[in-house]
Amino acid sequence: DAGVTQSPTHLIKTRGQHVTLRCSPISGHKSVSWYQQVLGQGPQFIFQYYEKEERGRGNFPDRFSARQFPNYSSELNVNALLLGDSALYLCASSPRGDGSNQPQHFGDGTRLSIL
Amino acid sequence: EDQVTQSPEALRLQEGESSSLNCSYTVSGLRGLFWYRQDPGKGPEFLFTLYSAGEEKEKERLKATLTKKESFLHITAPKPEDSATYLCAVRTSNSGYALNFGKGTSLLVTP
Repeated sequence: DAGVTQSPTHLIKTRGQHVTLRCSPISGHKSVSWYQQVLGQGPQFIFQYYEKEERGRGNFPDRFSARQFPNYSSELNVNALLLGDSALYLCASSPRGDGSNQPQHFGDGTRLSIL
Repeated sequence: EDQVTQSPEALRLQEGESSSLNCSYTVSGLRGLFWYRQDPGKGPEFLFTLYSAGEEKEKERLKATLTKKESFLHITAPKPEDSATYLCAVRTSNSGYALNFGKGTSLLVTP
């Protein structure tokens, strides 16, 4: 069975540009969450979407936005990129996102480098 | 504010040398504690979920335990392939569905 898939795997951008990262959840999973992981740190929560609605937002600026599509895939958008946005962006999926304690399963992430 | 602290930051073991990793937490209303393993260049891989004090879970050479203030990940007779970063995360009544991660423990097991 396919796990969580993310694209692209690597991306290089310059300051001020915009980027779109994509995520396909495990088949049957309806909840997608996005995390940012800076080198040497644990992942930090950005967004959670369940049934195409935003259900949670972390402490990130409005330059970060996301959406979930009818097939439950998701996009993370970041505008006006800063050097500090360089990180591994992780997508995680779970069957539900309504308070149940099913674990989140992660993809291998998109490595974003800002020059 | 919820806090998760993992120790040690790094640990080097010889093959077969058992040890424990610690995850201490200060949270309001724990709803679940999760252990993940992360290999370099990869996403976190789910290992265990613990919900209440006294609970234990086992998988091969790994055993996770939970008290009211901390969790331990015990590694028995580790092998080089157990080398990875081990991450602890919590869900709380403050965090909603989000996972709040610690910084991780980097484990190196040498032959």
